[in-house]
Amino acid sequence: AAGVIQSPRHLIKEKRETATLKCYPIPRHDTVYWYQQGPGQDPQFLISFYEKMQSDKGSIPDRFSAQQFSDYHSELNMSSLELGDSALYFCASSGAGERGDEQYFGPGTRLTVT
Amino acid sequence: AQRVTQPEKLLSVFKGAPVELKCNYSYSGSPELFWYVQYSRQRLQLLLRHISRESIKGFTADLNKGETSFHLKKPFAQEEDSAMYYCALSSYNTDKLIFGTGTRLQVFP
Repeated sequence: AAGVIQSPRHLIKEKRETATLKCYPIPRHDTVYWYQQGPGQDPQFLISFYEKMQSDKGSIPDRFSAQQFSDYHSELNMSSLELGDSALYFCASSGAGERGDEQYFGPGTRLTVT
Repeated sequence: AQRVTQPEKLLSVFKGAPVELKCNYSYSGSPELFWYVQYSRQRLQLLLRHISRESIKGFTADLNKGETSFHLKKPFAQEEDSAMYYCALSSYNTDKLIFGTGTRLQVFP
């Protein structure tokens, strides 16, 4: 069965550069979530989208923005990268808009900022 | 504030021993509790959710509202249970997951 796809899997950027992470949800899933997991830390919720509208927002820096497109894929744009942005970025998707529906996670994008 | 606490970073047991991974939470309303597992080089996947009251791969977890706990238990650990386990909660009005710091379970032969 198709799972959540994230690209790229690995990304190396320098400070002050920009990065774009992509997430392709499971077909027919309408909700996308982004999480950030720093080294040795728990995943932290960043932002979520339901039917292409932002549905919730967590501890996402102002330097980051995200959107969900008409085909339900989502992109996380990160500007003015800092060393502290180095982390594993997970995307998850869920379907049918039902509260508490299971979130299926992608493999993550490992971002390294040098 | 919503919070999930997993007091053990690492839990090591021998095959066949009982396992209990502790999880405590703080939340003022009625949360939904989950256990997620991440096997080596694999993605996070849902193991259990309290509303389903299932036993998955021999694991069970009971929500104790009095103690605000959702401990994960298995009577006889297997080597293939070695993984990172995260306890998480979500609330009625938001689907975002709040994770604990995770417990690494190592099961030795």
